Amino acid sequence: GQSLEQPSEVTAVEGAIVQINCTYQTSGFYGLSWYQQHDGGAPTFLSYNGLDGLEETGRFSSFLSRSDSYGYLLLQELQMKDSASYFCALSGYQKVTFGIGTKLQVIP
Amino acid sequence: GAVVSQHPSRVICKSGTSVKIECRSLDFQATTMFWYRQFPKQSLMLMATSNEGSKATYEQGVEKDKFLINHASLTLSTLTVTSAHPEDSSFYICSARGNSGSYNEQFFGPGTRLTVL
Repeated sequence: GQSLEQPSEVTAVEGAIVQINCTYQTSGFYGLSWYQQHDGGAPTFLSYNGLDGLEETGRFSSFLSRSDSYGYLLLQELQMKDSASYFCALSGYQKVTFGIGTKLQVIP
Repeated sequence: GAVVSQHPSRVICKSGTSVKIECRSLDFQATTMFWYRQFPKQSLMLMATSNEGSKATYEQGVEKDKFLINHASLTLSTLTVTSAHPEDSSFYICSARGNSGSYNEQFFGPGTRLTVL
């Protein structure tokens, strides 16, 4: 089976940088994705790592190390609107398996 | 990005009744659609994967006779919760993946909040 672990909650200050870590166990996958979900809303795709290394998309960056079964999402220049839940997810051929989600609270 | 719609966005029904939820890809052909369930403050749990024109593949523990999935066309999948009970109350979210591009991105619908009284 597949499993992912990520912190349940993180608090950070507006304008700062925050890193959300994700470790996983799987017998095989294509890549690691990150999704954002605001309360009451549906998830939206943020980033994907198919290869090891860093992927940058604006204020968001994501990293993957397959040898360490580890990845992270880095959010820079935090804004209040970034307060949401962030899910790492393993992308396989037919499905995506989500982690439990990390609730990020951005404070002034 | 591509747009996926769901209908209804919110439904309240009596215990024992059936509820149908529609998921549509509006501007692309969705060869694969996924149905998730999310309880409050929990992660998305995949219920089933459906490919157009074939039977859905259900995840372990999901009753296929209770959660009927039909993917009759490349733009529409339906989930029917049969004989709903209060424990079926949840946020149901569909997602779709097209036949082009990479496997890494799914486009999610806005979700349907089901409340069974």
